[in-house]
Amino acid sequence: GAGVSQSPSNKVTEKGKDVELRCDPISGHTALYWYRQSLGQGLEFLIYFQGNSAPDKSGLPSDRFSAERTGGSVSTLTIQRTQQEDSAVYLCASSFRTGGGNTIYFGEGSWLTVV
Amino acid sequence: AQSVTQLDSHVSVSEGTPVLLRCNYSSSYSPSLFWYVQHPNKGLQLLLKYTSAATLVKGINGFEAEFKKSETSFHLTKPSAHMSDAAEYFCVVSDTGLTGGGNKLTFGTGTQLKVEL
Repeated sequence: GAGVSQSPSNKVTEKGKDVELRCDPISGHTALYWYRQSLGQGLEFLIYFQGNSAPDKSGLPSDRFSAERTGGSVSTLTIQRTQQEDSAVYLCASSFRTGGGNTIYFGEGSWLTVV
Repeated sequence: AQSVTQLDSHVSVSEGTPVLLRCNYSSSYSPSLFWYVQHPNKGLQLLLKYTSAATLVKGINGFEAEFKKSETSFHLTKPSAHMSDAAEYFCVVSDTGLTGGGNKLTFGTGTQLKVEL
């Protein structure tokens, strides 16, 4: 597609429920990233995919968070047993390659509110 | 380790006057530096990037930034502010620090730009 597409754009869920957030990267982009943006925490790295593999999961805050990528394209971030501190904007980004000078393009985010 | 410091959390200018958003970085390597803009309830849009070519980088919407290695700075400027420039601006440094060679982005804390009539 023309840009990184994320869905849903907004999600309100009850504490304890599971949520899935979807990301469609730019066509042909092999690298995919998930970031979280919350008040007081700024922008935090969560996970990086190269193709369907996730060589760096170091930013996932707990084992309630997981992500997968299939077909080298769409990625899903899953949060199990959501907590109020999970409320944030979840941003997906993609890039054609990695390396110096590489440009990463962001989607518009999925705004998650846990009540 | 790399880091980014955005020196002002809020900047307020009048429409038609110059904009200066300050950014200092720390990086062990020759850095790739970016400015992103985020309008309310929107994602991050790339404004411009520096990748060791020209030190003066021109971006979209009339913005530009100058890489100064001696000062470890990458300040963002625009000659004349427009109301539509009101947004949050993030200075970002990038390296290949993720396991597997992915680009690790380190974000500044952001500068909120307000443009007044």
